[in-house]
Amino acid sequence: GAGVSQSPSNKVTEKGKDVELRCDPISGHTALYWYRQSLGQGLEFLIYFQGNSAPDKSGLPSDRFSAERTGGSVSTLTIQRTQQEDSAVYLCASSRHIRETQYFGPGTRLLVL
Amino acid sequence: EDQVTQSPEALRLQEGESSSLNCSYTVSGLRGLFWYRQDPGKGPEFLFTLYSAGEEKEKERLKATLTKKESFLHITAPKPEDSATYLCAVDFGNEKLTFGTGTRLTIIP
Repeated sequence: GAGVSQSPSNKVTEKGKDVELRCDPISGHTALYWYRQSLGQGLEFLIYFQGNSAPDKSGLPSDRFSAERTGGSVSTLTIQRTQQEDSAVYLCASSRHIRETQYFGPGTRLLVL
Repeated sequence: EDQVTQSPEALRLQEGESSSLNCSYTVSGLRGLFWYRQDPGKGPEFLFTLYSAGEEKEKERLKATLTKKESFLHITAPKPEDSATYLCAVDFGNEKLTFGTGTRLTIIP
C-alpha cells in the first residue's frame, strides 16, 4: 500500500517568510509524528498527534513552530518568520497506534536563505 | 536525560567482511528499540523492533540483538548495496523515539 508522503520535497525560502509543510500518513494510522534532521545531527522530535490532538508539543523549538492535524489524517507543520537555523530536513512518520512501529516519509528539505 | 549512543560513527568494510554496529542507551524503562536504514536523500526505512533482552530478529544479511543496556546490528557478508546510514532509536515510554546519530556504513566492492 501507499506509504507516508510529504510535500513539497524541497523548499527554498527567504528569511522571515512563513512556510507550510504537509504530511499524508499511511491510511488508517492514528498516530503521526514530526521530526527534524539537521546536517550531522540525529533526528530531533518535534511533536506527535494522537488522532487530531497533540498531547506533547514540548519538542517544538520556538513559538514560531506550530502544527495541526485535521480529520485524523493530513498534518501541516507551519514555521513562521523562518530563520536560517530552521534549515533542515523535516520528516514525518505515522504508526497504526501510539507506541507502535513508526514508518517515515521521504522528508521535506527546507533551505532558508 | 534519556540518551542513545551509536558507535562507530563511520565504518568501512570490504565486501564480505562481517561486522557489528552498536547502540547503547541510558537504562530507564526501555519499551522498545528500533533499527532503521537511511539512504542519502531519503527517509528512514524500518528494519527491526526489539522489546526485551535476549530477543533477536533477522532479515537477509542483518541480525539485531538486544541486551539490558545495548543492541547490536550484525552484518554478515555485506554487499555494496548494504551501504547506508543505520539509525537506532529507543522508545523510553514517552510516546516519541529518541534517536542516535547513526553509523555510516560503506561496503567497498
